[in-house]
Amino acid sequence: KAGVTQTPRYLIKTRGQQVTLSCSPISGHRSVSWYQQTPGQGLQFLFEYFSETQRNKGNFPGRFSGRQFSNSRSEMNVSTLELGDSALYLCASSLLPGNSYNEQFFGPGTRLTVL
Amino acid sequence: SQELEQSPQSLIVQEGKNLTINCTSSKTLYGLYWYKQKYGEGLIFLMMLQKGGEEKSHEKITAKLDEKKQQSSLHITASQPSHAGIYLCGAGSGGGADGLTFGKGTHLIIQP
Repeated sequence: KAGVTQTPRYLIKTRGQQVTLSCSPISGHRSVSWYQQTPGQGLQFLFEYFSETQRNKGNFPGRFSGRQFSNSRSEMNVSTLELGDSALYLCASSLLPGNSYNEQFFGPGTRLTVL
Repeated sequence: SQELEQSPQSLIVQEGKNLTINCTSSKTLYGLYWYKQKYGEGLIFLMMLQKGGEEKSHEKITAKLDEKKQQSSLHITASQPSHAGIYLCGAGSGGGADGLTFGKGTHLIIQP
């Protein structure tokens, strides 16, 4: 069974631009969560989608948004990029929604650099 | 909000030695996850613990959940170079909300 895939793996953008990242979950998984990882803040939850609906959202500004398609693939978008958005963006897939008792499997991440 | 504190922050261990990493939560743990991360890469799922007193093992790695103390420990026996990386503990909030909260990680270096 293929794991979680994320594209692109690396991205360089300039301030003010927008970016879209993609995540394909493990086949059969319907929940996709997104996380931002930075050296200072560590791993922080962005949002979770299940069956095309956003279930939860972390404490991030509205510039961060996402969506999920009927095939469970998910995209996240960051508009008006800031230098502080430079990070490793990770997505995780799980069979069921929620976070307490579901095994979550992470993709390799997308490294975003904002210049 | 829940906070997870990991200790130590970094660890240098001679190959073949045993080691323990701890994860302490500020609130009751509802499912505790252990992941390993190679620098700049994705997280590799190690184990999930659900019940107080639960203990799981995979190869040379054993994790325990002490629900009363809101703490979990990860123990590696006879460490190998392949064990090097960042170990992260993550926990759910119990209500299915807010995603997983993670500790800052423990950087493990194995000296040959």
